[in-house]
Amino acid sequence: ETGVTQTPRHLVMGMTNKKSLKCEQHLGHNAMYWYKQSAKKPLELMFVYSLEERVENNSVPSRFSPECPNSSHLFLHLHTLQPEDSALYLCASSQDRGGPYEQYFGPGTRLTVT
Amino acid sequence: GQNIDQPTEMTATEGAIVQINCTYQTSGFNGLFWYQQHAGEAPTFLSYNVLDGLEEKGRFSSFLSRSKGYSYLLLKELQMKDSASYLCAVTDSNYQLIWGAGTKLIIKP
Repeated sequence: ETGVTQTPRHLVMGMTNKKSLKCEQHLGHNAMYWYKQSAKKPLELMFVYSLEERVENNSVPSRFSPECPNSSHLFLHLHTLQPEDSALYLCASSQDRGGPYEQYFGPGTRLTVT
Repeated sequence: GQNIDQPTEMTATEGAIVQINCTYQTSGFNGLFWYQQHAGEAPTFLSYNVLDGLEEKGRFSSFLSRSKGYSYLLLKELQMKDSASYLCAVTDSNYQLIWGAGTKLIIKP
C-alpha cells in the first residue's frame, strides 16, 4: 500500500452505535489530521497530531474521540452520533505540521448516521 | 474572523483558459495552497505560494499578492478531466490551515 489509506470507505450507523474509522499513512510523515467535509462547506479541521501528540482540537464534540497509537496510524472513534454528523471524513498527513508541507489525503469515509 | 472567498461555480470550454480567484483575510500569513478535488475523491495538491508572483507548473499557474490578500489559479488548454473542485487554503500565523469552500469547475466540450 502506498500513500494514505482509510477504512471503511462507507459506513452507515445508528445514533446509538459505536464505530471507529481507521487511517494509515505509508509516507513516513510526522503530522496527521482528521477533517470533516460537508457539501458546499469548507473542509473543517477536527484534530491534528504531530509526532503522536494531539496539538489541535477545534471544538469538536466529545462524541468524536481521536487516537494516535503511532506515527503511521490514526483512529476516529464515534459514539452516539447525530444525523448532522453525516459527512465525508478525510484523513491527511504531511511531513510536518505547518510550513510549506503539502497534505496528502486518504480517499475518505462516507458516513451516514440514521 | 478568518475567511477565504472563492466563487462557488465556474463554467469554461474545453481548450480555453480559466482563472479561479481566491481572496483571504487571515490572522497572519504563512503560505497559500491550491488543491484539486474530483467528485468522490480526495483532494490532491496543486501548488504552494508564499512569495508574491506567479508560479508555473505545466498547464497550471498560481499567482499570489500578499498585499492584496489575493491569489488566482490559472488553468490553460482546458481538458475535460479538469472538471473538479478547486480548493484554496491559507496557513495562518499559528500554522493552521484555513480552507475555502472550493470552486466547482465545469468544462464543456
